[in-house]
Amino acid sequence: QVQLVQSGAEVKKSGASVKVSCKASGYDFTSYYMHWVRQAPGQGLEWMGIINPSGGSVHFAQKFQGRVTLTRDTATSTVYMDLSSLTSEDTAVYYCARTTSGNYYFDYWGQGTLVTVSS
Amino acid sequence: EKLLTQSPATLSVSQGEGATLSCRASQNVNTNLAWYQQKPGQAPRLLIYRASTRATGVPARFSGSGSGTEFTLTIRSVQSEDFAVYYCQEYNDWPPSRRTFGQGTKLEIK
Repeated sequence: QVQLVQSGAEVKKSGASVKVSCKASGYDFTSYYMHWVRQAPGQGLEWMGIINPSGGSVHFAQKFQGRVTLTRDTATSTVYMDLSSLTSEDTAVYYCARTTSGNYYFDYWGQGTLVTVSS
Repeated sequence: EKLLTQSPATLSVSQGEGATLSCRASQNVNTNLAWYQQKPGQAPRLLIYRASTRATGVPARFSGSGSGTEFTLTIRSVQSEDFAVYYCQEYNDWPPSRRTFGQGTKLEIK
């Protein structure tokens, strides 16, 4: 069965960086795009960016450009989200979520990773 | 930037009653709209895609309708496990937008 398993919770200081992983299993890793969506406490869902695991191409929401890096390791079917220059406003649960290449609705989600940024 | 507006923000219903949730797009999204259910402490779960197609395993009491800019998620005879927050999401355009999701409707017990 399809599974997306994310790394554990993180606590970071303001100005630091965080790297969250998302390990995929149960399907052909390079045939589906992977997105990152975040959710601040008590808030809605915010789309951050997308990576094509096949070629590694990426695209980000303008808000996060220059601060987020998405990479993938096809050998381990894992994608990584690196967010730098953290502030308290980055405190959120970060989700990876899968879509097909043609239709960007999210059929499978990771369990979420809580990133807490403290000053 | 395209926006999705969900209404109402909170909907109070009794178990066994029906519920109707709305999602309005600021521009035409054709039928490229999905609905998700999120319970506290859990990741969102895909319910509906292509405006009206139920995802695998979703009970038949959930149905979606609409096209263009007006969409509806209907829950026939709400069950206890249905109390959650519901989000709509449009995927008509590339690239996706930061605001690809609506702000959510909380379905609560009356």
